[in-house]
Amino acid sequence: EIVLTQSPGTLSLSPGERATLSCRASQSVRSNYLAWYQQKPGQAPRLLIYGASTRATGIPDRFSGSGSGTDFTLTISRLEPEDFAVYYCQQYGSSPRTFGGGTKVEIK
Amino acid sequence: EVQLVESGGGLVQPGRSLRLSCAASGFNLGGYTMHWVRQAPGKGLEWVSGISWNSGDIGYADSVKGRFTISRDNAKNSLYLQMNSLRTDDTALYYCAKAPQWLGGFDIWGQGTMVTVSS
Repeated sequence: EIVLTQSPGTLSLSPGERATLSCRASQSVRSNYLAWYQQKPGQAPRLLIYGASTRATGIPDRFSGSGSGTDFTLTISRLEPEDFAVYYCQQYGSSPRTFGGGTKVEIK
Repeated sequence: EVQLVESGGGLVQPGRSLRLSCAASGFNLGGYTMHWVRQAPGKGLEWVSGISWNSGDIGYADSVKGRFTISRDNAKNSLYLQMNSLRTDDTALYYCAKAPQWLGGFDIWGQGTMVTVSS
């Protein structure tokens, strides 16, 4: 099983600032089958990025994904008020599919 | 509108069974891989099970293997999760989610159905 470790656990930033979230895998993620999701309180997760760097339909271009192998990054270039949420990475290249523990982006 | 709606959750005693359903609308569920993901109160996401469009590929998390069974009825545009021998640590909000293919991100999610396992 591939274990995904996200850091930091909590990121305290102000609107307009840049957010950099990390996801590290215990072994190489096949074909960079790595996704990022956003979850707000009381809501289902929403797909942001798949294939490590491809934005899902309707996702603003301030969200970008990068990385390969075992190290992946989600960057939010300029935080908007609606971006404060919990973010999860997920690998879907092998079974069992696994999620990281999440990074909470909170308003400073 | 593309939508997934889960149902079947509730309060159940340890050791008992429950069957969850997920109904798709606005698209043909039969063309896609489907998954169940759960989230315990205040915790992160945990993948439970997935099934390919023709049921040719099926996978389970170790925590549910041998107790849960995923299935689908493409004619009814529905996905199911049969949960047997329920334990208190199965208590969670259960989401169904759609993926474009077996190796795909989860692009559409339902709002979830709550399962509480308690005596």
